[in-house]
Amino acid sequence: AQSVTQLDSQVPVFEEAPVELRCNYSSSVSVYLFWYVQYPNQGLQLLLKYLSGSTLVKGINGFEAEFNKSQTSFHLRKPSVHISDTAEYFCAVSTGFQKLVFGTGTRLLVSP
Amino acid sequence: DAGVIQSPRHEVTEMGQEVTLRCKPISGHDYLFWYRQTMMRGLELLIYFNNNVPIDDSGMPEDRFSAKMPNASFSTLKIQPSEPRDSAVYFCASSARRSSNTEAFFGQGTRLTVV
Repeated sequence: AQSVTQLDSQVPVFEEAPVELRCNYSSSVSVYLFWYVQYPNQGLQLLLKYLSGSTLVKGINGFEAEFNKSQTSFHLRKPSVHISDTAEYFCAVSTGFQKLVFGTGTRLLVSP
Repeated sequence: DAGVIQSPRHEVTEMGQEVTLRCKPISGHDYLFWYRQTMMRGLELLIYFNNNVPIDDSGMPEDRFSAKMPNASFSTLKIQPSEPRDSAVYFCASSARRSSNTEAFFGQGTRLTVV
């Protein structure tokens, strides 16, 4: 079975500062990895995904993530955050197009 | 496409009442998922369908919960009888088995409050 760990429940950061949201996964087979964002009172929206190929994945809104197989990590980064990036971010793992397993989420709080 | 459509957006009901949540997946998608989100447990997969057939319902918490997908464009999640601990946001998502595209598209959710 797969599992996802997001160690940081909340990450406060100032506007225009860089940010990294951590995600570690556990799986005995090859996986697909995802980052979703949830704005208040909204559904989840895909930020980016890793299926295969280049380990550095670029997504929407200036976010990127790097797949590290040896460390079983898929950390999300952004070099300069905006107030509008304040949201909850979820890392997820799947062995296919079924059954996404989500982490507990990291709340990113961007202040001026 | 309008995306995954869920109704109602908000539901308040009394304990013991039957609650039905509805979902219309994206046209052409052959996978449909029901998730529940709570502060305590995060996002949990309740059940998912492939081509209208339930594939894995191991996440359904109790017999009070049931889900159906009578056709490719409609699914329901029913709770009978409802209890206060069922209060949560319920999300429906759909995806398509199409080459390497494994993205799940989520609806905006139904916020259920059982009093």
